[in-house]
Amino acid sequence: EPEVTQTPSHQVTQMGQEVILRCVPISNHLYFYWYRQILGQKVEFLVSFYNNEISEKSEIFDDQFSVERPDGSNFTLKIRSTKLEDSAMYFCASSEGTVSDTQYFGPGTRLTVL
Amino acid sequence: GEDVEQSLFLSVREGDSSVINCTYTDSSSTYLYWYKQEPGAGLQLLTYIFSNMDMKQDQRLTVLLNKKDKHLSLRIADTQTGDSAIYFCAEGEVGGYQKVTFGTGTKLQVIP
Repeated sequence: EPEVTQTPSHQVTQMGQEVILRCVPISNHLYFYWYRQILGQKVEFLVSFYNNEISEKSEIFDDQFSVERPDGSNFTLKIRSTKLEDSAMYFCASSEGTVSDTQYFGPGTRLTVL
Repeated sequence: GEDVEQSLFLSVREGDSSVINCTYTDSSSTYLYWYKQEPGAGLQLLTYIFSNMDMKQDQRLTVLLNKKDKHLSLRIADTQTGDSAIYFCAEGEVGGYQKVTFGTGTKLQVIP
């Protein structure tokens, strides 16, 4: 069964460093998403992406965040200058984009900012 | 904005039924989802129901929707120790891209 994959599974970085989290969505899906889950808290929507542009973003998704689909398979989330409070599990998801749609999530990347 | 609420914890004995409850606020046409998250793992879509349905059954899972009360439940029959996980209720709008709003998650503990 097709699945969303994410790399790395765990990323440790120093505060102020840039990180890039990578995702490979399901191949025939058209919509891509990033969510995050701070330890012990809700899963929160960050951004949705379609046709090479952002469709919607939350207030969490500020200028420090960016997304890109650099080629036909990868979807990346970049955090330019990480803060301690960026430590969280980051989930990528994708969907076909039909009316009867569901999102399929990857296993997540645990980001730890020291 | 949308809000989804769940109780935080549920403990059941192996073989019993588990019922996880959820309330939501969005009254427009929507999909309601149940995701399962095992320790250290990602979000696994278990089942979903469209807001014009009352019930959906899928093997051991039964989803009941009371649209008037905006109440959703997930019943797991014959609960097994492998069902121990956090269960997230979530809602998403119909069509195209959608922002899924998650509940706080209910931690299900199955006692052997």
